[in-house]
Amino acid sequence: DIQMTQSPSTLSASVGDRVTITCRASQSISSWLAWYQQKPGKAPKLLIYKASSLESGVPSRFSGSGSGTDFTLTISSLQPDDFATYYCQQYNSYWTFGQGTKVEIK
Amino acid sequence: EVQLVESGGGLIQPGGSLRLSCAASGFTVSSNYMSWVRQAPGKGLEWVSVIYSGGSTYYADSVKGRFTISRDNSKNTLYLQMNSLRAEDTAVYYCARQGQWLAPFDYWGQGTLVTVSS
Repeated sequence: DIQMTQSPSTLSASVGDRVTITCRASQSISSWLAWYQQKPGKAPKLLIYKASSLESGVPSRFSGSGSGTDFTLTISSLQPDDFATYYCQQYNSYWTFGQGTKVEIK
Repeated sequence: EVQLVESGGGLIQPGGSLRLSCAASGFTVSSNYMSWVRQAPGKGLEWVSVIYSGGSTYYADSVKGRFTISRDNSKNTLYLQMNSLRAEDTAVYYCARQGQWLAPFDYWGQGTLVTVSS
């Protein structure tokens, strides 16, 4: 089974900050990685797929990079609507999620 | 517009059974890979089961032998039959559309809460 490890688990930031979340796979997953945003009581929302492709309708301040085992999600300028929990997911071999990164208001 | 609406959750005693439904609109369930994903209270996301467009099914080890995924093409609905429920199955259960192989989960339902407790 492929394990996904996200860091940090919690991130405190202010509006306007540049935020980076990392995700590491236990083995190579090529670029088969997605990022999701989840707000309390809501379903996850797809942000990024294939490591760096922006889902339609997602603001351009979100970007993804990486391949193989190491990936990052970057929010270029944090907005009030971005305070949420973010999950990475590999879909190279079945489907596994990272443990999540909660982005909190500093 | 693509929509997924889950139902069937509730409070059930350990050892009991429950069937979840996920009614789809705006696309054809049988033409897509469809999964169930769950989230225990305060925890992360866990993939549970998938049904491929061709009908093949796969399960996480944690539910293998107890849960069964299926679909009714005439109703455009996905199901999850859950038997021998345990306390650790307590979670919000989401259905999600995947497209085909090597595709992310692009649409999710709102989730239905299953609570296993005596």
